[in-house]
Amino acid sequence: SQQGEEDPQALSIQEGENATMNCSYKTSINNLQWYRQNSGRGLVHLILIRSNEREKHSGRLRVTLDTSKKSSSLLITASRAADTASYFCATDEGSGDKLTFGTGTRLAVRP
Amino acid sequence: ETGVTQTPRHLVMGMTNKKSLKCEQHLGHNAMYWYKQSAKKPLELMFVYNFKEQTENNSVPSRFSPECPNSSHLFLHLHTLQPEDSALYLCASSQGWLAELADTQYFGPGTRLTVL
Repeated sequence: SQQGEEDPQALSIQEGENATMNCSYKTSINNLQWYRQNSGRGLVHLILIRSNEREKHSGRLRVTLDTSKKSSSLLITASRAADTASYFCATDEGSGDKLTFGTGTRLAVRP
Repeated sequence: ETGVTQTPRHLVMGMTNKKSLKCEQHLGHNAMYWYKQSAKKPLELMFVYNFKEQTENNSVPSRFSPECPNSSHLFLHLHTLQPEDSALYLCASSQGWLAELADTQYFGPGTRLTVL
């Protein structure tokens, strides 16, 4: 399977609810990143968490990293309709200039 | 607005045509990337340029030819493409190897390519 696989593939929630997406990877990493993509647009960087960090916050985003399980989660609290997008995790391969992306989680937030 | 622009935003071409995609970054970065995004497939890295030198060619067919004349501009020259090459082509940039935050990439809006 792919480095950086997201779970679930699709998620539909009501506005105001929390959304949790998970990412698993296979090899050791220096850092893991989360990106967001609106339909047919480019990716936007959300947050980067380094391998020696366990949790990071940015606004309504909370990212955790468990290197022993090779997994990460992205939590979006108090979701809004504008959060509707695809979310991707990406892992580096130690080189610093190459990222491997997963297939993404499609999040739909119903107003 | 991420500081990375791509033109054209949409392109329709026949299999015998030659066209070029252009990417420009206004962030002072030294690394630039081409990705291909097809439906229901992970983002595929195609090429990486670091300080104008190509450092990655991810087994991309020769009908795709990249060019990086300087750190701010990246082109993807296309010729004799196949219908399965239809996809969203994304350009990205990052600070480059020597920067602490080299791994964060900034993406352009993409070029939606359709090959007839």
